[in-house]
Amino acid sequence: GAVVSQHPSWVICKSGTSVKIECRSLDFQATTMFWYRQFPKQSLMLMATSNEGSKATYEQGVEKDKFLINHASLTLSTLTVTSAHPEDSSFYICRGNGGGQSSYNEQFFGPGTRLTVL
Amino acid sequence: QKEVEQDPGPLSVPEGAIVSLNCTYSNSAFQYFMWYRQYSRKGPELLMYTYSSGNKEDGRFTAQVDKSSKYISLFIRDSQPSDSATYLCAMSQTGNMLTFGGGTRLMVKP
Repeated sequence: GAVVSQHPSWVICKSGTSVKIECRSLDFQATTMFWYRQFPKQSLMLMATSNEGSKATYEQGVEKDKFLINHASLTLSTLTVTSAHPEDSSFYICRGNGGGQSSYNEQFFGPGTRLTVL
Repeated sequence: QKEVEQDPGPLSVPEGAIVSLNCTYSNSAFQYFMWYRQYSRKGPELLMYTYSSGNKEDGRFTAQVDKSSKYISLFIRDSQPSDSATYLCAMSQTGNMLTFGGGTRLMVKP
């Protein structure tokens, strides 16, 4: 199956710093990228949806100025957590979609990035 | 009420048991039904996918969808310790935007 990679897999940062998480689709073109956040023992919460070359659409309650999403190419999307605080500590997962209404077979999750803010 | 309900567990079974995992939902427009397996601190991995109602079998896994009851199931036969993970059901109207259940934590004991 197709592969989506994320980097870094684990990051620890100080409060107030910014962290960039990369999500790459390695062998397919991801026209849409979804970014999720997952707290321990909870399900995935959709943060935003981004289409290549367009501004991301954020879910209600997600601050777009704090979670900056860039989807500049069909194989790379980035999530930047700006001025991170301890409450931003979570597991961030991306999901790539190859496009098409019923192309759900082309949707693959990345392995996730664990963010710890001290 | 959540759109998709899933018992969080944990569900503990002995090795070799048949496991039944279930989700109920309220949106009758859902047409795509998926089951994902997620190991601790890893991304979800697609296990099964079903379009509309019916059954689908893949090895030890069987997925069932009953749209009339708004109920989906995942059965795992001959469960193994390596099956211990969190299982997430997900549904979609278009196959693109997914709505997830809360996940059921499964523990298979040797």
